[in-house]
Amino acid sequence: GEEVAQTPKHLVRGEGQKAKLYCAPIKGHSYVFWYQQVLKNEFKFLISFQNENVFDETGMPKERFSAKCLPNSPCSLEIQATKLEDSAVYFCASSQSQGGYTFGSGTRLTVV
Amino acid sequence: GIQVEQSPPDLILQEGANSTLRCNFSDSVNNLQWFHQNPWGQLINLFYIPSGTKQNGRLSATTVATERYSLLYISSSQTTDSGVYFCAVAENTGFQKLVFGTGTRLLVSP
Repeated sequence: GEEVAQTPKHLVRGEGQKAKLYCAPIKGHSYVFWYQQVLKNEFKFLISFQNENVFDETGMPKERFSAKCLPNSPCSLEIQATKLEDSAVYFCASSQSQGGYTFGSGTRLTVV
Repeated sequence: GIQVEQSPPDLILQEGANSTLRCNFSDSVNNLQWFHQNPWGQLINLFYIPSGTKQNGRLSATTVATERYSLLYISSSQTTDSGVYFCAVAENTGFQKLVFGTGTRLLVSP
């Protein structure tokens, strides 16, 4: 389809629990990006993929965050042992060629 | 890394007014996009405009890459234009991450 599909829309986890977020990029797009929006006006880059290969992971907190993009499956972002500070909206974006990046509608993670 | 500054940080308009939002960036870019984040949090792509001028209805944008700035024009503003407008750029080296500005928060009152 022509949209980046993110699931779930909302996720509530107790502190210490695992959270897993999914992103289906636009078909044919080979680049996938994950961003975290904590405060309303701040976007933090986490990781990007070129197909199933990690392209840039300079923004990933290494300890508790991991991500994958496997063939024929949605991409995933997993947070082990969530902390209160992980509460944020997580956006996924995909791109193929010079024409801009298309963002999904985000997953709002609330850690209580 | 590349720096992106947006101005003004906040803007309040009466419905029907026009406005100009500015985005300055510190290095060469191969991608510049304007987004509107509506009050429900959705990030809507307005323009992909690494250079030149584009128009879409009441919105238009101009990027002067050599002078490292971009402008977003909103004409005849409507209450539905309220939200936060972000400029985001990618450095001029392939499929790099987008770096976002801190946004301009726009409130259009009836």
